[in-house]
Amino acid sequence: AQTVTQSQPEMSVQEAETVTLSCTYDTSESDYYLFWYKQPPSRQMILVIRQEAYKQQNATENRFSVNFQKAAKSFSLKISDSQLGDAAMYFCAFFSGNTGKLIFGQGTTLQVKP
Amino acid sequence: DTAVSQTPKYLVTQMGNDKSIKCEQNLGHDTMYWYKQDSKKFLKIMFSYNNKELIINETVPNRFSPKSPDKAHLNLHINSLELGDSAVYFCASSQDPGQVTDTQYFGPGTRLTVL
Repeated sequence: AQTVTQSQPEMSVQEAETVTLSCTYDTSESDYYLFWYKQPPSRQMILVIRQEAYKQQNATENRFSVNFQKAAKSFSLKISDSQLGDAAMYFCAFFSGNTGKLIFGQGTTLQVKP
Repeated sequence: DTAVSQTPKYLVTQMGNDKSIKCEQNLGHDTMYWYKQDSKKFLKIMFSYNNKELIINETVPNRFSPKSPDKAHLNLHINSLELGDSAVYFCASSQDPGQVTDTQYFGPGTRLTVL
């Protein structure tokens, strides 16, 4: 069964600095899709960034980028120039084409200090 | 315009009652989902429907019954509510989970509190 692990329950970063959130996953599938979702205190689940497993180039969305290491089954999220509005819980998720299920990690709470 | 909407946003009820949560999406997607987020923030899929047909049915008590009147709506009915049902319930939709590039978009969540 696929699993997603976020080993950092909490992280903090100074405003304008850079922070990296870790995520590892376990699967025997070769083609899949990976996501980072953000859940602010409003509790809305917001898509931050996504990465197709067959693409070697790391995805980037403005200040958000990923470091996708397929062999290591690692999918970390880097937030550059952190802003107060980035404070939220971040979930890594794995989409299995075999099962059609989106599997979430435990989440990492990010605090941004002014 | 809200892409995936849920009503109500908050629901407080007594143990033993029956309640429903409604979900609507205007994205034209074929597949809709229900997720449960527990007190530790862990998110887990409960059900998915594709064009009104049940696709995924996780190990969920049969007190939970999803109903899809059309592909834009997926409602969740819960009978005989228990304390352990207290959670945040998210609706989501996507175009085609058969495609590995499928992306799910979530509603705002419904916080259910059972007293």
